[in-house]
Amino acid sequence: AQSVSQHNHHVILSEAASLELGCNYSYGGTVNLFWYVQYPGQHLQLLLKYFSGDPLVKGIKGFEAEFIKSKFSFNLRKPSVQWSDTAEYFCAVNARGNTPLVFGKGTRLSVIA
Amino acid sequence: GAGVSQSPSNKVTEKGKDVELRCDPISGHTALYWYRQSLGQGLEFLIYFQGNSAPDKSGLPSDRFSAERTGGSVSTLTIQRTQQEDSAVYLCASIHQEASYNSPLHFGNGTRLTVT
Repeated sequence: AQSVSQHNHHVILSEAASLELGCNYSYGGTVNLFWYVQYPGQHLQLLLKYFSGDPLVKGIKGFEAEFIKSKFSFNLRKPSVQWSDTAEYFCAVNARGNTPLVFGKGTRLSVIA
Repeated sequence: GAGVSQSPSNKVTEKGKDVELRCDPISGHTALYWYRQSLGQGLEFLIYFQGNSAPDKSGLPSDRFSAERTGGSVSTLTIQRTQQEDSAVYLCASIHQEASYNSPLHFGNGTRLTVT
């Protein structure tokens, strides 16, 4: 079964700083990869996804993620964070086919002015 | 409705009691997930219903947990003889079966369960 590791439990950044959140998965086959975000008091929503093609995917609000197959990684990046990016970020993976989506434990991002 | 609806939004129960949590998925969504979100534990997969296939129950933590989905729509998650460690937010999510396998999940707002 696949599993997901998110390296950072809590990240604190100043506004305009660059962001990179790590995500590694363990599964040898073909996978679909996702980043979800949960803003305070809101439900989870999709930030971006990768399933094939260009390994650099762009999502909403200036976020992007790069799939590096050799490293089993799908790190999330943003060049310049804003206070409104304060949220919890979850990486998720499922193997191709009818398999459940498995989430990492999440990374809490706090952006300070 | 426009989104996934879960009820109740909050539930406080005494240890040892049974609880039922309800999920109304988006109309037309035939695949449904239950997850548990605890502090520091992220989203823990519990169970997955996909159309008429047998549900994937591999994530259920014990035999006190069960779920059913009636008529391919509403789902109920039941926890028997609740324990304090069951306290968490229980999230339901649905997805359109006919969409590609990489479609996003639509999450409800969750039920916050507190076992005292």
